[in-house]
Amino acid sequence: DTAVSQTPKYLVTQMGNDKSIKCEQNLGHDTMYWYKQDSKKFLKIMFSYNNKELIINETVPNRFSPKSPDKAHLNLHINSLELGDSAVYFCASSQDGQGHNEQFFGPGTRLTVL
Amino acid sequence: AQTVTQSQPEMSVQEAETVTLSCTYDTSESNYYLFWYKQPPSRQMILVIRQEAYKQQNATENRFSVNFQKAAKSFSLKISDSQLGDTAMYFCAFMKPYNTDKLIFGTGTRLQVFP
Repeated sequence: DTAVSQTPKYLVTQMGNDKSIKCEQNLGHDTMYWYKQDSKKFLKIMFSYNNKELIINETVPNRFSPKSPDKAHLNLHINSLELGDSAVYFCASSQDGQGHNEQFFGPGTRLTVL
Repeated sequence: AQTVTQSQPEMSVQEAETVTLSCTYDTSESNYYLFWYKQPPSRQMILVIRQEAYKQQNATENRFSVNFQKAAKSFSLKISDSQLGDTAMYFCAFMKPYNTDKLIFGTGTRLQVFP
């Protein structure tokens, strides 16, 4: 069984479009995250939710909006896509947002903006 | 703010040999967690090993071990008996607990294991 799943795995779209990436975890975890990995492989936190409540918003443009309908899901909506948004986006989850609990990562979504 | 530095962009090692990947970090905290994550070509992020700063004993997971030097703020990863499947990007990461739980990653080291 997949612990953290993301859909789609690949997304190719035109500049200016709006797109969403879905994330689901079946681990019963309370905390979920979105990370962005750029073309140089650098990984950086974008958002964190704990029990559907936004905990971290790391100076991400407001074109990015996370939505958590329940604690098993954390979706990422991106409006007015720009070339610089091209990256791999990873969803992750952990038990209770404490450091002694492992963060489990999804397989990533490669977003290409043309 | 915490920072994590990996000074080796690329490393290579022959199968069955030992390799050490370097990581240094900067923090004023006394309690924190350090991690090594592996990202093979499949792109999946896999936790390799974790170290709690208040534990003096170095963490070990099978062929993977760390050399944690708290005073020097150094956290290197040693891979013994390297295998072809160890070929991957390796990321060092820092986490300050009870503070939003975000991982702060280094820039990564690409490791190539040759037969």
